[in-house]
This record gives sequence, structure tokens and C-alpha cells, in this order.
Amino acid sequence: LAKTTQPISMDSYEGQEVNITCSHNNIATNDYITWYQQFPSQGPRFIIQGYKTKVTNEVASLFIPADRKSSTLSLPRVSLSDTAVYYCLVGDTSNNNDMRFGAGTRLTVKP
Amino acid sequence: DTGVSQNPRHKITKRGQNVTFRCDPISEHNRLYWYRQTLGQGPEFLTYFQNEAQLEKSRLLSDRFSAERPKGSFSTLEIQRTEQGDSAMYLCASSSGLLPDTQYFGPGTRLTVL
Repeated sequence: LAKTTQPISMDSYEGQEVNITCSHNNIATNDYITWYQQFPSQGPRFIIQGYKTKVTNEVASLFIPADRKSSTLSLPRVSLSDTAVYYCLVGDTSNNNDMRFGAGTRLTVKP
Repeated sequence: DTGVSQNPRHKITKRGQNVTFRCDPISEHNRLYWYRQTLGQGPEFLTYFQNEAQLEKSRLLSDRFSAERPKGSFSTLEIQRTEQGDSAMYLCASSSGLLPDTQYFGPGTRLTVL
């Protein structure tokens, strides 16, 4: 299983762009990178998933360098409602019991 | 698509009692997962179903825990003889199995064992 390392916490201010980097040095060829967001007392919510280069959707972008040993979740112009825990997961999605959550990054957005 | 639903949302029970939680996955999702989450930690994998077959169980799933998914639709997670250490959020997720697969989570059931 590819282990991931993320910062424990980050602070930001409303309107700023936030970048959360996840390290996964032993990522395997078949592994995808998936990010989830979780608010207190709710289940994790899927944000974005990618394999290489850049993926963008309506809420975030995911940047993955060529060596795939890290990835960066980018949240444009955060608001107070983006305060949450963000989890980076790496695993072979054809074998979903391969997905393991770490402690995540607690993002606090301040006014 | 109504999303993954879980019932009840909250359960308070006394130590030693049995509890059962239900998860209704997104329709046509053939994979279903159970996780447990304690305060300040990420979700921990408990077990995984492909249709009605339970394919993997974590060592966290002691013999007091049992999960079923009859007919490959909804699933139940039962905890027998609850202990205070069982207090946690129990999360259910489902996925289609189409690659790259993505798990979608329900709102969870918060269990408090007194």
C-alpha cells in the first residue's frame, strides 16, 4: 500500500488559493490519487481523482508531477465553508480494499 | 441518484446491548464498504462487499461485529455486546466498480455506548 504524508493542518484566509501537498513516494503503477473533503459529523465527500498531469473540476484542481511521487490539491479562492479536513488517498481502484485514509489535513479558513 | 443513506443517524445504547445499522448504497453500485471513524482520526476500513459476497474483513472487525449484504443491495452492520470502545462514527460507502473506481460515502451513524 502506498503510504501518504500530508501536513496536519493549514490556515488560510478567505479569497486565497490553497494548495495542499501530499507525498506518496512508493506509489505503484496502477495507483490513482483521490482527494476527499470531510466536515464534522459528516461522511467524506469526493473532491477529485487523477492519475497524472493535471485534473480540474468545478471545485478543485489536482496537479501530479511526472514522477507521481507527490500531488497537490488546489482550492481556488477559498471561503469559510471550505474549512474541513482533506484526505489524500493513493491506491489501486481495481482493488478498492486497497484504499486507506490517513489523518488528513485540517484546513482552517479565516475571515 | 439519491446518494448513500444510512440509518439511524445517531444511536445511543448501553454497554452489552446489540445494535444494528443499515446502509443503502447508490442504486446499481455493486461495491459496498464499511468504515469506522473515531474523533480526530481518518476513517478505518472494516469490510468490503462485492455484490452479496463479503470479500475482505479488517482485523478491526472482531467476532462481535458482523456485516451482511443480502441480495447485493442494502447492507447491515451488527455489533453484539457493545463496549464503550465501540463508540465511533460508522460510515458506509459504495462504488460502481467501473475504473477508476470512486467511493461515495453516506452521512454515517454515530454510536455512543454508555
